[in-house]
Amino acid sequence: KAGVTQTPRYLIKTRGQQVTLSCSPISGHRSVSWYQQTPGQGLQFLFEYFSETQRNKGNFPGRFSGRQFSNSRSEMNVSTLELGDSALYLCASSLFLGGGEKLFFGSGTQLSVL
Amino acid sequence: SQKIEQNSEALNIQEGKTATLTCNYTNYSPAYLQWYRQDPGRGPVFLLLIRENEKEKRKERLKVTFDTTLKQSLFHITASQPADSATYLCALDTGTASKLTFGTGTRLQVTL
Repeated sequence: KAGVTQTPRYLIKTRGQQVTLSCSPISGHRSVSWYQQTPGQGLQFLFEYFSETQRNKGNFPGRFSGRQFSNSRSEMNVSTLELGDSALYLCASSLFLGGGEKLFFGSGTQLSVL
Repeated sequence: SQKIEQNSEALNIQEGKTATLTCNYTNYSPAYLQWYRQDPGRGPVFLLLIRENEKEKRKERLKVTFDTTLKQSLFHITASQPADSATYLCALDTGTASKLTFGTGTRLQVTL
């Protein structure tokens, strides 16, 4: 069974640009969540989708948005990039939405904003 | 405010010894606590989950304890090997969503 796939693996952008990251969950998994990881803040929750609906949202500005498609694939978008958005963006999938679910992470997209 | 602390940013131990990592939290009432391993440049990998009503969980050389009174979890790796070198993350799960709140991690280095 293929794992969680994230594309692209690396991305370099300049301030003010926008970026779209993609995530394909494990086949059969319906919940997809996104995390931002930085050396200073660690892993921080961005949002979670289940059945094409955003179910939870973290404490990030509105420049960060996402969506989930009917095949459970998900995208996240960051508009008007800032230097502080440089981070590893991780996508995770799980079978269901709810407590006690273990998360399966992709290898992430390393975003550098210059 | 809510806080999760993983004591020791880095832990160095000799091969064959037991590594013990700690995870302390405040102002949370987790229904579950999970431990993940993360290697450089990779996403975290699930290791163990323990429920609030469980005291201890084991899997091969791994053992997790969960004390909701002390608000602490301990993660043990027995007979540690260089291949166990990685960053270990604890994560709190309130039980209401798949959203996890992660600690900052402990970097474990096992030397020969």
